[in-house]
Parts: sequence; C-alpha cells; structure tokens
Amino acid sequence: QSALTQPPSASGSPGQSVTISCTGSSSDVGGYNFVSWHQQHPGKAPKLIIYEVTKRPSGVPDRFSGSKSGSTASLTVSGLQAEDEADYYCSSYGGSNNFRIFGGGTKLTVL
Amino acid sequence: EEQLLESGGHVVQPGGSLRLSCAASGFTFSTYVMTWVRQAPGKGLEWVSTISTNGGTTYYADSVKGRFTISRDNSKSTLWLQMNSLRAEDTAVYFCAKGRIRGEDFWGQGTLVTVSS
Repeated sequence: QSALTQPPSASGSPGQSVTISCTGSSSDVGGYNFVSWHQQHPGKAPKLIIYEVTKRPSGVPDRFSGSKSGSTASLTVSGLQAEDEADYYCSSYGGSNNFRIFGGGTKLTVL
Repeated sequence: EEQLLESGGHVVQPGGSLRLSCAASGFTFSTYVMTWVRQAPGKGLEWVSTISTNGGTTYYADSVKGRFTISRDNSKSTLWLQMNSLRAEDTAVYFCAKGRIRGEDFWGQGTLVTVSS
C-alpha cells in the first residue's frame, strides 16, 4: 500500500498560481475519478477542497481547481492568498484491496 | 451543522489496547461510509480503516490488519476503533471522517493516541 507521490513543498507569491501534483498508478488515481484534495492548517483537522478530481464543495473558493491526466492528478491554486499557506494532501480510491490512499502531503508557502 | 467528536485517546503501553469513539451529529449517519485516518507527529495522513454504511463491509490498511477493528452503531450515530497489540508506531492523532467511496468530505478534530512505556 504505497502512498501517492506529492512534492514535499511548493511556493508562490500573493496573486500568483501554483500547481501541486499527485502521482499514483492505474490501480488508483489512473483507474478511478475518485481523487480528492484536502487542506490542513497547523493543528487543525483536514478540510475537503476538491472531490471527484474537479468538483468543489460549497463554500470553497473557485481559486482552487483540480485536474487529472493519466495517473497524475493536480491541484491548482490561483490568485494565492496568505491564508492558502497550509499542507495539502491528495487521496484516491484504490479498489477494495486498497480502499483509500493518501499522498505524502505538500507544504504550500505563500512568500 | 455536521459534527464529529472523537474521544478515547490516551497514553498506553506497547502491547496494550484502546478503544476510540467518534460521536456524529448534524447529518444522517447511517447513509455515510465512515473512516479512520491517523497522523503521526509531524507526518502526513495515513488511511487506517473504513466501514460501509450498514457495517457489513470493512477495509483495513495492511499496517493495522489483524490488530484493529472498526465498527459502528447507526442507532447511536457512533463509530469505534478497537486497537489491540499497540506499537510505538501507532502513536498518532486519529481522525474520524464521513464520506463516500469517492472520498472523505468532513473530518473530526482528532484524538491523540500515544504508545509508550
């Protein structure tokens, strides 16, 4: 049960855009459109920001967007704001033998 | 307002047992898949276990299979995680989360389990 691969860190200046990748395999990210992204601020619970690859829950700003190509999913944060500084985790359904897989997390720094 | 409140986290010796609870409110508990996810100090999120809406199907990470048991009582809107044969590497904040097969959509605040002699 290997974790999905994310870059450990990403950064951008206020107003810029940043993209975080999440690489899996044909058994998880590539095999299902069940990729989610969660935002976690220090000491807080994770919060869902993207589900089913591209969908945003109610209340999540449209600055957050998701996409997928093959076995790599991506989260793009546009118009970076100071409050976007947090850890971001992708997750995917992996079938009945590996129900849920998380990425290792990416620490986003707003310069 | 959706709420998930975990409890039961404690300091326990290696080899010991602990039972975590997650009390749900503000949504129809019986219609959601429920999941436990843990986060070791300074580390990332690790999926632990998931249970189907009626409790009839359970899934476990290899790291806890045979030692942890997930269960639920829909009449009480409560989720549990029975943890046996605890190891130092089980030390983490344990979150419960509601969701669907597609993923988790709401998380509790977590409860800290420390395995240490």
